[in-house]
Amino acid sequence: QKEVEQNSGPLSVPEGAIASLNCTYSDRGSQSFFWYRQYSGKSPELIMFIYSNGDKEDGRFTAQLNKASQYVSLLIRDSQPSDSATYLCAAPNQAGTALIFGKGTTLSVSS
Amino acid sequence: GAVVSQHPSWVICKSGTSVKIECRSLDFQATTMFWYRQFPKQSLMLMATSNEGSKATYEQGVEKDKFLINHASLTLSTLTVTSAHPEDSSFYICSANSAGGNIQYFGAGTRLSVL
Repeated sequence: QKEVEQNSGPLSVPEGAIASLNCTYSDRGSQSFFWYRQYSGKSPELIMFIYSNGDKEDGRFTAQLNKASQYVSLLIRDSQPSDSATYLCAAPNQAGTALIFGKGTTLSVSS
Repeated sequence: GAVVSQHPSWVICKSGTSVKIECRSLDFQATTMFWYRQFPKQSLMLMATSNEGSKATYEQGVEKDKFLINHASLTLSTLTVTSAHPEDSSFYICSANSAGGNIQYFGAGTRLSVL
């Protein structure tokens, strides 16, 4: 059974700092990873996905994938209070038919 | 990105009644849709995978006779909570894959309150 693990937090950072969110996965064969953001009372929204080792940047967000160490991270630069949310890491299941979600890390950015 | 519409966004019902939730992919065809449930301050729990034209695949512990799923077209899946009870009160969220893709796009969710 594939597993996706995240530290539930809360992770607290001051406004303007870099927030680093981490995720580990159990299946070495996993090829793709997804980061979703979920505000309280709302449904998840896709932030980024990454398939290749290394970094992928999109605005203030950078996803980092290290397949050898089986971790994927999300960096948020210049954190804003509006970034306060729960961040979910996900990877496809064995059959590739659904996503397995981690429990999510709650980020709190203080002004 | 792709748009998934979910309706209703909020429903309050009496215990024992049935509630239908609709999930539509607006600008793409979704061969597969997913239904999740989320209790307050807890993670997403996959309930079932809905495949167009065939029976849904339910996760362990989810009662298929209580949570009826129909995926009659490539753009619509419905979840019916039958004989709802207060313990069924939760946030129900659907998502859809575009054909051949792994990315899931989520609906806005339905908050169900059973009195």
